[in-house]
Amino acid sequence: DAGVIQSPRHEVTEMGQEVTLRCKPISGHDYLFWYRQTMMRGLELLIYFNNNVPIDDSGMPEDRFSAKMPNASFSTLKIQPSEPRDSAVYFCASRTTGQNNSPLHFGNGTRLTVT
Amino acid sequence: AQSVTQLGSHVSVSEGALVLLRCNYSSSVPPYLFWYVQYPNQGLQLLLKYTSAATLVKGINGFEAEFKKSETSFHLTKPSAHMSDAAEYFCAVSGLKGFQKLVFGTGTRLLVSP
Repeated sequence: DAGVIQSPRHEVTEMGQEVTLRCKPISGHDYLFWYRQTMMRGLELLIYFNNNVPIDDSGMPEDRFSAKMPNASFSTLKIQPSEPRDSAVYFCASRTTGQNNSPLHFGNGTRLTVT
Repeated sequence: AQSVTQLGSHVSVSEGALVLLRCNYSSSVPPYLFWYVQYPNQGLQLLLKYTSAATLVKGINGFEAEFKKSETSFHLTKPSAHMSDAAEYFCAVSGLKGFQKLVFGTGTRLLVSP
């Protein structure tokens, strides 16, 4: 089991550019989550999917952020246009149902720096 | 709504000393509680979880936590710290309804000195 795979590990971009973060969940997991981690705000849930369908995107900060899950093995988080305040570590996590509160499995994150 | 408060952004202990990381929760429904650990440049890993069974929960790497409803607490302990325990620790809560929404605390960085 390769775990949750995120790419890239680091992304440096200029303000105004489009940024796309990618995630491959663990095979067989039917929930996928996107989190953002900053010093100021800690870990924030941005959006989560169940069986590829977005369930709750109330944590998405604004319209510049969008997330898709075209199939069970791939998801993207896009920021367009990016701003310096978007600099953070973005984590993808997945889990499986079958019993309540099965643990989240996190990827190693993408560190985004917007200059 | 659920929330957790972690007291102390940093905790320093000597190797071999007791580790105590504090977490208090607020929940309008019976909570499920979790402790996660994050090593540098890595994602979070589950240490242990409480899901309304035994109030004393044992996790990996010798950690344990006790659920105390009267104190709304779920403190994490380890009898003897190792250098390898140095990391950031997060307490998290979810409720029975909407349990997918795991709400994390702000984290406590554990520093272990020789």
